Amino acid sequence: SYELTQPLSVSVALGQTARITCGGNNIGSKNVHWYQQKPGQAPVLVIYRDSNRPSGIPERFSGSNSGNTATLTISRAQAGDEADYYCQVWDSTFVVFGGGTKLTVL
Amino acid sequence: EVQLVESGGGVVQPGGSLRLSCAASGFTFDDYAMHWVRQAPGKGLEWVSLISGDGGSTYYADSVKGRFTISRDNSKNSLYLQMNSLRTEDTALYYCAGSGWYEWFDPWGQGTLVTVSS
Repeated sequence: SYELTQPLSVSVALGQTARITCGGNNIGSKNVHWYQQKPGQAPVLVIYRDSNRPSGIPERFSGSNSGNTATLTISRAQAGDEADYYCQVWDSTFVVFGGGTKLTVL
Repeated sequence: EVQLVESGGGVVQPGGSLRLSCAASGFTFDDYAMHWVRQAPGKGLEWVSLISGDGGSTYYADSVKGRFTISRDNSKNSLYLQMNSLRTEDTALYYCAGSGWYEWFDPWGQGTLVTVSS
């Protein structure tokens, strides 16, 4: 079965750039979607199809995907960006989520 | 307003059964594949099951195959999850979510909590 690997945690200084990776075998050939989840809340889509932002998501959020790694980049990080982030792909007719990354803004 | 509202969670003993429901509104329900996704306390997201827009195709994670059954009633804009032979490891917050086929998950419900405990 297909697996997605994310770092357990990432820390970023306020106003700096955070990068959260999602590793998978030839993930560059798949569409990767990213979700933000704050404590006690449902996940919220922040990036779809590798690099597209839904309406209402700040331009500070961007994504890329190539080879064996997809990356969610958060520029000018704010305290409100502290959350868990999950990547997601489809593998045939199954859905796979990464294990999640806790982003801490220092 | 696009909305998904789950219900039916509760406390059940190991080996017991529970049926979850998800009521959809604000979008064309049968245009969407629908999923159940769960999150154990303090853990990450785990995909559970998928049903196509017309209800004709269903898929399950290995962890629930043979015990859980997903279904939908498009006339009622509703999604269901029948959970049998429940185990303590099924304890989780269960979300329903919609997607296009091979696409992203949006919208999401707020979840319903299932606790399997003796």
